[in-house]
Parts: sequence; structure tokens; C-alpha cells
Amino acid sequence: GAGVSQSPRYKVAKRGQDVALRCDPISGHVSLFWYQQALGQGPEFLTYFQNEAQLDKSGLPSDRFFAERPEGSVSTLKIQRTQQEDSAVYLCASSRRLAGADTQYFGPGTRLTVL
Amino acid sequence: GQQVMQIPQYQHVQEGEDFTTYCNSSTTLSNIQWYKQRPGGHPVFLIQLVKSGEVKKQKRLTFQFGEAKKNSSLHITATQTTDVGTYFCADGTSYGKLTFGQGTILTVHP
Repeated sequence: GAGVSQSPRYKVAKRGQDVALRCDPISGHVSLFWYQQALGQGPEFLTYFQNEAQLDKSGLPSDRFFAERPEGSVSTLKIQRTQQEDSAVYLCASSRRLAGADTQYFGPGTRLTVL
Repeated sequence: GQQVMQIPQYQHVQEGEDFTTYCNSSTTLSNIQWYKQRPGGHPVFLIQLVKSGEVKKQKRLTFQFGEAKKNSSLHITATQTTDVGTYFCADGTSYGKLTFGQGTILTVHP
């Protein structure tokens, strides 16, 4: 049973470049979350999917951030015109249930460095 | 928005000493989850507390949820070097969105 996987594990981008970060949740998990973790901080919520529906995107810091999960499985977080303040670890987490507090399983994260 | 404050930010202990981290909120928490993140790793779920006054134990770890559901604590008895990492509390919403505290970084000296 594979856990949550993310790719790439590390990404270096020049300021202004677009990046795409991929998350493969645990098979069958309905809920998928993206978090951003700056150095020395706790993860901060970005967005939430229930199957293919993006039900909460209140944490996305700007309209440069876009996330999708078109078939209710793999999700992609896209950041357009990257800025230095976007440098962080982007964590994906999935959980089994539709609603109610449930264990979230985190992926290893993608460390994004914007030069 | 909801903020969860966690103290202390850092804790250095000798192996065998006890360790406690505290989580506080100005508003009632829906539920509290605790996570451990090893250096260079990702958060790993430890436990969830839902009921007022709830106490749960996992071997040397004891988790408490305050009577008013505004605070929580994690206590580790007789720390070991394997306990090293950052411990986060997180407030969970009805659908699972987590609001994390700043974390407590635990260092254990052998």
C-alpha cells in the first residue's frame, strides 16, 4: 500500500517561471488537501478537494496559484509567474472520508526554491 | 481567522527527561489533532482528540484536551533520542481542513 506521493521532490525555478507540482493521493481517498510550509513554520492550508470538486480555495495566496483534480485522483498545484516569497515546501495530504475529522496522510512534499 | 498558539517554540532536554508542549486557542476548538514531523520529513498523524476533557495515551505519550476545548497538551515521559522532531497541534474543521500551530521543536541530548 503506497502512501501519498509527490513530484518533483525538489524544484528550483527562476523568478517569473511557471511551475506544476503533482500529488498522487492514497488510492480511494476522497479528500485531498494542499498546504504550504515555510521554513520554521507550521503547514498552512491552501485548498481542499472532495473528489474532483474544489470546495475550499480560501488559502490560495493569490490568483497566481491554481489547483485542479480533474478525475478525483491525481492533483496538480500550479504556480504562475513564481516569486521569491513562493519558496516553501508544498505538502499534499489525503484522507479517506467525505466529512468529519479524519486522519490526514501527508506526502513527502515538494521543496520549491525560487531564485 | 482561527489561530492556534503553541508553546514553547523550542525545548532542549536530556534523554530521560520529560517534555510537554501546549496548544491554546481563544475560541473553542472543533477537535485537536497532533502531528510529529521529523527533520526533513513530513507531518505524521499521532492522535485526534474530540471530547472535552479527553485524555489519551500512546505508550510514553499522553494527550489531553481541555474542559473548555480551548487548549490541549502533549506530554512525553522519559524522552528518547527517537522523539526528536517538531510536534504540531492542529485544529480540524468538519471536513478536515487543518489549522496548525507553530510547532514545538524538541531536541533530545543523549
